[in-house]
Amino acid sequence: QKEVEQNSGPLSVPEGAIASLNCTYSDRGSQSFFWYRQYSGKSPELIMSIYSNGDKEDGRFTAQLNKASQYVSLLIRDSQPSDSATYLCAVRNTGKLIFGQGTTLQVKP
Amino acid sequence: EAGVAQSPRYKIIEKRQSVAFWCNPISGHATLYWYQQILGQGPKLLIQFQNNGVVDDSQLPKDRFSAERLKGVDSTLKIQPAKLEDSAVYLCASSSTWGEGELFFGEGSRLTVL
Repeated sequence: QKEVEQNSGPLSVPEGAIASLNCTYSDRGSQSFFWYRQYSGKSPELIMSIYSNGDKEDGRFTAQLNKASQYVSLLIRDSQPSDSATYLCAVRNTGKLIFGQGTTLQVKP
Repeated sequence: EAGVAQSPRYKIIEKRQSVAFWCNPISGHATLYWYQQILGQGPKLLIQFQNNGVVDDSQLPKDRFSAERLKGVDSTLKIQPAKLEDSAVYLCASSSTWGEGELFFGEGSRLTVL
């Protein structure tokens, strides 16, 4: 079992729609959770971090964490073509940051 | 504030040759990471330093890869001899505190092994 699992996609949504990205993790001791965005040929950049159960909103982005189900999600409202990228879920445990394989999001105009 | 610097940006070598990548983290960042990202996959942690000490190198192929962080600042990742499957982007990242906070990534070094 992979430590951090994501559906590789691609996930295709029309402009203006809500994109929902999901991630599961295997280690119950994981302490903090991150979503990174990676454009093609570029390095990852942090867009959201979440540390406790529930929702965290930042602009058009909402991260959701459910530790009991070992599940993290990212919702992107009013999706824009500029949101087209690979979204990486990352989970920290005892200092190590482990990444999933990423979900490719395509937002069609 | 200057970001994480990496060089070279691109490198093409033949299998069995050697290569070295250099990273200069953000000033004052104690923790430095090297990740390997193969096309279509997420970054895989190779080695993590806290100051000049190794915190985790469990996924570093030690028969061919080595890394050092002398004086707790710059770091070098070396591959010798390279294999075809080493073709990837090597990402260096740093963070201010071990076990906490955001990782800041460099632009990466793209290696092609022929």
